Amino acid sequence: DADVTQTPRNRITKTGKRIMLECSQTKGHDRMYWYRQDPGLGLRLIYYSFDVKDINKGEISDGYSVSRQAQAKFSLSLESAIPNQTALYFCATSDSRVVGGEAFFGQGTRLTVV
Amino acid sequence: GESVGLHLPTLSVQEGDNSIINCAYSNSASDYFIWYKQESGKGPQFFIDIRSNMDKRQGQRVTVLLNKTVKHLSLQIAATQPGDSAVYFCAEIRSGGSYIPTFGRGTSLIVHP
Repeated sequence: DADVTQTPRNRITKTGKRIMLECSQTKGHDRMYWYRQDPGLGLRLIYYSFDVKDINKGEISDGYSVSRQAQAKFSLSLESAIPNQTALYFCATSDSRVVGGEAFFGQGTRLTVV
Repeated sequence: GESVGLHLPTLSVQEGDNSIINCAYSNSASDYFIWYKQESGKGPQFFIDIRSNMDKRQGQRVTVLLNKTVKHLSLQIAATQPGDSAVYFCAEIRSGGSYIPTFGRGTSLIVHP
């Protein structure tokens, strides 16, 4: 089983719809992240959380919200989806006890907004 | 603003050739760098890392060079194999306690048999 699990893996939704992407981890890490990947633009940070009740905006948070329901769960919501939010979304985790700790990524969610 | 960037978005090589992927960074306070490898249909995975107090780090067929004077990283893969085909990202970890990974655009390495 994957250590970082994202659901759904693929989703097509209509403009204006609310959608939630979910992430759960079994690594016991305290830090969790949501990134967006677009061709030619690399991975851009949307939101991050250093612990439960800690939520921070990243580089491109507009149009997104998150919820850290438990240490193991971090969900990303698009309140009103728009076509330019079509992208590949990745959840990642890391351990604050590890200096420069590597990020562990989920398999990604491919979201298409039509 | 601060950025991590890659010079070549796509690199095509023949099997057996050596590959070099470059990365520029702009924050001299960054003290840790990680290369991630992203295979098709998968999330990025840790590939190799280097700390800022090092100039060179070697693994099996892989060498990372860090030039702090010009803020440049390179990832060298010797005798490139088809299984090396992937997108490679460099991530810059900035000091200050937050250790939030910041990624460059990525370079797609294509290895032709």
